[in-house]
Amino acid sequence: DAGITQSPRHKVTETGTPVTLRCHQTENHRYMYWYRQDPGHGLRLIHYSYGVKDTDKGEVSDGYSVSRSKTEDFLLTLESATSSQTSVYFCAISELGRLGPYEQYFGPGTRLTVT
Amino acid sequence: KQEVTQIPAALSVPEGENLVLNCSFTDSAIYNLQWFRQDPGKGLTSLLLIQSSQREQTSGRLNASLDKSSGRSTLYIAASQPGDSATYLCAVRLSSNTGKLIFGQGTTLQVKP
Repeated sequence: DAGITQSPRHKVTETGTPVTLRCHQTENHRYMYWYRQDPGHGLRLIHYSYGVKDTDKGEVSDGYSVSRSKTEDFLLTLESATSSQTSVYFCAISELGRLGPYEQYFGPGTRLTVT
Repeated sequence: KQEVTQIPAALSVPEGENLVLNCSFTDSAIYNLQWFRQDPGKGLTSLLLIQSSQREQTSGRLNASLDKSSGRSTLYIAASQPGDSATYLCAVRLSSNTGKLIFGQGTTLQVKP
């Protein structure tokens, strides 16, 4: 998994509680991404980061926030979890090559269930 | 809005067969296209990356082609094996510096011994 770990790997939480997922990389890559994967929707980008403290929204960012205080860590927070946020969450990384951001490498995923 | 479609959604073939997976996209202004493999309960593994200026890329038994003008890419798998059974996803990178990917929903391949 290209030096990418995600924690926790599985989590069950109740509606209304805050949840933070962590992505940690050892590759020193500049770009980091959070996706969610759902049946019928495929993989969709939530937020991404293009450097420490530099983040931007993806296509399904409502209800999520992110932070990146160090190159190696990218945190995804669900401020108040809802059942619609039950999903598998993937972190990905990529580096900036001569032609722009290079291919993405994915972590093993976090399965989140909101009851 | 860029949309990526993969047909068929599922495919079952006998071992040894050569096969083609299809990926189409609505906006030809892509930066590059990436093919991934996903095993059940696992993350995505990058297989091939084709830049918009390239026509094809090869890795072992895999060959990916890109026809940007027609909005299509194919992944060719030669001499399929049961270990090739997985879901195959294609994703296009938009013409930007952000590296954001738009994914298709995947083709689930089963190779029967």
